[in-house]
Amino acid sequence: RKEVEQDPGPFNVPEGATVAFNCTYSNSASQSFFWYRQDCRKEPKLLMSVYSSGNEDGRFTAQLNRASQYISLLIRDSKLSDSATYLCVVNNPDTGRRALTFGSGTRLQVQP
Amino acid sequence: ETGVTQTPRHLVMGMTNKKSLKCEQHLGHNAMYWYKQSAKKPLELMFVYNFKEQTENNSVPSRFSPECPNSSHLFLHLHTLQPEDSALYLCASSQAGDLGELFFGEGSRLTVL
Repeated sequence: RKEVEQDPGPFNVPEGATVAFNCTYSNSASQSFFWYRQDCRKEPKLLMSVYSSGNEDGRFTAQLNRASQYISLLIRDSKLSDSATYLCVVNNPDTGRRALTFGSGTRLQVQP
Repeated sequence: ETGVTQTPRHLVMGMTNKKSLKCEQHLGHNAMYWYKQSAKKPLELMFVYNFKEQTENNSVPSRFSPECPNSSHLFLHLHTLQPEDSALYLCASSQAGDLGELFFGEGSRLTVL
């Protein structure tokens, strides 16, 4: 099983739509969760951290479900500028790694 | 504008060549990383340096040789690469021990002929 698994998409949605991505992780001991955004031919950038109680940043809402080992990202009122690949990122403490493990990403295309 | 600068941005090399990728961070961080990004694959961690000391080598072949002379600079020396090593190589930095935010450079796109 992959450490971090995401639906690659693409998700094609019209402007103004609400879209949600899920991501599953394999290690129940993981404690840190993030969503990164990567634009085409650009470097990844942190979008938001994911907290146990769920958190919101403007149009973006992130949630964590520890029991089912998945995290989600909800984007409301999609904008053209939201078109990008969204990377689910998790720490993996069991391997002793002090770096983060990235999913393959989910591509979002917002259409006019 | 990124606080992590990578050079060169593009590199084409033959399998017998020796080249180096350079990364410099201006953020005052003390941890630096090399990641590899291949098409349709997740970012793969290659090396981690904390306070100039290598703390992780993720089973990377010896044809990739990292060097970290100080907390602001990181190199990836390349020799006798294979075509399957063609990828985007991303450098990142963070505060050591802080798994919060990684700051990435724009990457060096490598093509091995």
